[in-house]
Amino acid sequence: EAQVTQNPRYLITVTGKKLTVTCSQNMNHEYMSWYRQDPGLGLRQIYYSMNVEVTDKGDVPEGYKVSRKEKRNFPLILESPSPNQTSLYFCASSSFGRNEKLFFGSGTQLSVL
Amino acid sequence: AQSVTQLDSQVPVFEEAPVELRCNYSSSVSVYLFWYVQYPNQGLQLLLKYLSGSTLVKGINGFEAEFNKSQTSFHLRKPSVHISDTAEYFCAVSESSGTYKYIFGTGTRLKVLA
Repeated sequence: EAQVTQNPRYLITVTGKKLTVTCSQNMNHEYMSWYRQDPGLGLRQIYYSMNVEVTDKGDVPEGYKVSRKEKRNFPLILESPSPNQTSLYFCASSSFGRNEKLFFGSGTQLSVL
Repeated sequence: AQSVTQLDSQVPVFEEAPVELRCNYSSSVSVYLFWYVQYPNQGLQLLLKYLSGSTLVKGINGFEAEFNKSQTSFHLRKPSVHISDTAEYFCAVSESSGTYKYIFGTGTRLKVLA
């Protein structure tokens, strides 16, 4: 089954404690991206990747890091989380061209205390 | 830079009534347009998309949208809604040149009433 898998589904942490949210897709997609969803603000793009070792900033990259060492994986790293990073995070992937269509993971609800 | 405006944050509608969810966009370049739906506690899934060609686009679950270039709009419509259509709907754009940088609207929460 084609899917994007995010882990964990829920995460509670404290300010400053490094964390990683994993994202994996099984569709051989070149494109992967991370979004955060906040009430009244919709989805905002954090980082995206066009292929292995190719990443670029979205609209809200501050406080986040990503890496794309393998085509299927695109982890989101918070080196020093702060309370304003409490949010619902989504990973998504897509192929290019006429089949462009984002496949989303189920989301990670992060709370930073 | 692009922007997407969904003016209606919430739309209540009775079951079997028609509905229109509005989306306006701003862009200095050609864009692709999308509507995504988010059911409670789930990720987003694609309803429909406009890349080129016919301005009337049909999607899943009986939804359709019309691209209007002069009004820079991409409104979503359904002639008769069901309780199961209760969800949040997001309009999105990406540059047709292939930057794959998506801009989403703030979402419209559709509540279908019995």
